[in-house]
Amino acid sequence: GDSVTQMEGPVTLSEEAFLTINCTYTATGYPSLFWYVQYPGEGLQLLLKATKADDKGSNKGFEATYRKETTSFHLEKGSVQVSDSAVYFCALSASGAGSYQLTFGKGTKLSVIP
Amino acid sequence: NAGVMQNPRHLVRRRGQEARLRCSPMKGHSHVYWYRQLPEEGLKFMVYLQKENIIDESGMPKERFSAEFPKEGPSILRIQQVVRGDSAAYFCASSPGAGEKGEQYFGPGTRLTVT
Repeated sequence: GDSVTQMEGPVTLSEEAFLTINCTYTATGYPSLFWYVQYPGEGLQLLLKATKADDKGSNKGFEATYRKETTSFHLEKGSVQVSDSAVYFCALSASGAGSYQLTFGKGTKLSVIP
Repeated sequence: NAGVMQNPRHLVRRRGQEARLRCSPMKGHSHVYWYRQLPEEGLKFMVYLQKENIIDESGMPKERFSAEFPKEGPSILRIQQVVRGDSAAYFCASSPGAGEKGEQYFGPGTRLTVT
């Protein structure tokens, strides 16, 4: 079945550092790929998405590129802020029937210190 | 516009008791999804409901678990005769349509602890 693997945390960075959170996936066909973010005490929020190969999703300074050849969707940000501290989830939805089912990675907790 | 509401946020039950988790979708949303996150695991799909209909329950355990989304009121996830292995975070999401391509809005979750 479909699966998502993302780097384990926790990740601790200093403010203005460069962030990369690795995510790879296994799926048949052409899934859509997502990054969700969960701030403390809140629900998951969609951060960015990409629906086909070579698409780049971006939002709030974060970006990720859908790489079909390496089955990856790594999240990057050039300069993190304390307010970026949260748990980040990589996810996919299969193509075709059942595409409403999201398959998630385990989440990566990011802490940014001043 | 209020987001997806879940209550209670924390629930403690003894083994053998029943747990009822509630989810009020965003205004105007008629599609609801439940996911479970076991410790050290990612969120796993459980069930997809529309008003008064279960569309897909392929991720739900066959016994003790049930879900409903009545015409009026919140969606309910019910777990009968809870066991320690049911301890997890349960997330509800909603969408205005069929929720394809990740357009689901999540609640803050209910953390169930079975003692």
